[in-house]
Amino acid sequence: DSGVTQTPKHLITATGQRVTLRCSPRSGDLSVYWYQQSLDQGLQFLIQYYNGEERAKGNILERFSAQQFPDLHSELNLSSLELGDSALYFCASSIRPMTGVGNTIYFGEGSWLTVV
Amino acid sequence: GENVEQHPSTLSVQEGDSAVIKCTYSDSASNYFPWYKQELGKRPQLIIDIRSNVGEKKDQRIAVTLNKTAKHFSLHITETQPEDSAVYFCAATLAGKSTFGDGTTLTVKP
Repeated sequence: DSGVTQTPKHLITATGQRVTLRCSPRSGDLSVYWYQQSLDQGLQFLIQYYNGEERAKGNILERFSAQQFPDLHSELNLSSLELGDSALYFCASSIRPMTGVGNTIYFGEGSWLTVV
Repeated sequence: GENVEQHPSTLSVQEGDSAVIKCTYSDSASNYFPWYKQELGKRPQLIIDIRSNVGEKKDQRIAVTLNKTAKHFSLHITETQPEDSAVYFCAATLAGKSTFGDGTTLTVKP
């Protein structure tokens, strides 16, 4: 168990709908990262927050948004869902804003999103 | 932005043999290179990492080498075991943002 908690574990929704994925980082971690992993694909970095502020942005669609709350949990909002958004969404956390030796990122178990 | 290429995409070895996975990156400013192991349906887990001021790092049967000049780094697994079977991802990190390779599916045959 990495200490990073993600809910829900599985979600099935229809095209055009909106969903929210939730992440609680490890205790004491200030950074939260979101990644998307499509079937048989690698990990695509979406966005990073550090202590409530957006820190880095990757290939995140405009239909997607995220935020980190004062209690450090984070939510990833996916709207106007398309079939191609079906993927495993990982949240990860680390204690400091810059990844590096001694600042490992720990992944949660992921949220499986299926858009039908 | 950073671009990471990982090879091979699949690798099959006999138990006890060595496995080598290679990655190249494009941005010479990248300074941290972790490797993750992901078992089917599970989360990626860090197995070893190296920073740009180090050429090689070893942890038991796993080693990573980095060639900054050529902008490539490799994962070496010796004395492979069936439990090493998984997808392995490399990543190059710049300013806190990690760009991942597409992964290598390693199968270790008993």
